[in-house]
Amino acid sequence: SQQGEEDPQALSIQEGENATMNCSYKTSINNLQWYRQNSGRGLVHLILIRSNEREKHSGRLRVTLDTSKKSSSLLITASRAADTASYFCATALSGGSNYKLTFGKGTLLTVNP
Amino acid sequence: NAGVTQTPKFQVLKTGQSMTLQCAQDMNHEYMSWYRQDPGMGLRLIHYSVGAGITDQGEVPNGYNVSRSTTEDFPLRLLSAAPSQTSVYFCASSKDPRPSNQPQHFGDGTRLSIL
Repeated sequence: SQQGEEDPQALSIQEGENATMNCSYKTSINNLQWYRQNSGRGLVHLILIRSNEREKHSGRLRVTLDTSKKSSSLLITASRAADTASYFCATALSGGSNYKLTFGKGTLLTVNP
Repeated sequence: NAGVTQTPKFQVLKTGQSMTLQCAQDMNHEYMSWYRQDPGMGLRLIHYSVGAGITDQGEVPNGYNVSRSTTEDFPLRLLSAAPSQTSVYFCASSKDPRPSNQPQHFGDGTRLSIL
């Protein structure tokens, strides 16, 4: 079963707008990662946030983590057409089972020029 | 530095045929894994390995075999292909054997169709 679930399933915005997508997970985790997948390509790592961190930035990306709500959000500011892709969160259970990284079903982001 | 290389990129099989999907990494990574990606299902873990000689099952292992005789290679074998195995297959790797601790490096995938 999938640990993380992204919301919304699809998001369409205009260039220059901000895009926010969310990830909810079910059980305690060590870290949470976000990935991007361009059409027809493999996944590319964007950012890793640890369970003791609340917010992390990387360029135009801002990730938050709320362990009490078991949720994370990915904000892309000043979006560009090149940001069009699917975005996935990935988690592993804390403790002895964290050799298995599970992915959500993804959010498909379309940025219109 | 090639990263994670998957071959072939595309393959069409007939039901009952066998084949091996190749995955190789040149980064001396301990952890390697195989996922399948189906429309609307996200990525699902098939098998993983935390080092040479060590493999274990993921979420959807049935119908697939793996081995890890070297650090660099992690082939995925379909012994008797079924139409339900039509999918895009991704291989990933990381230095840390616990994949939650480090970014995963992905190959570009193998697109497999089984008729």
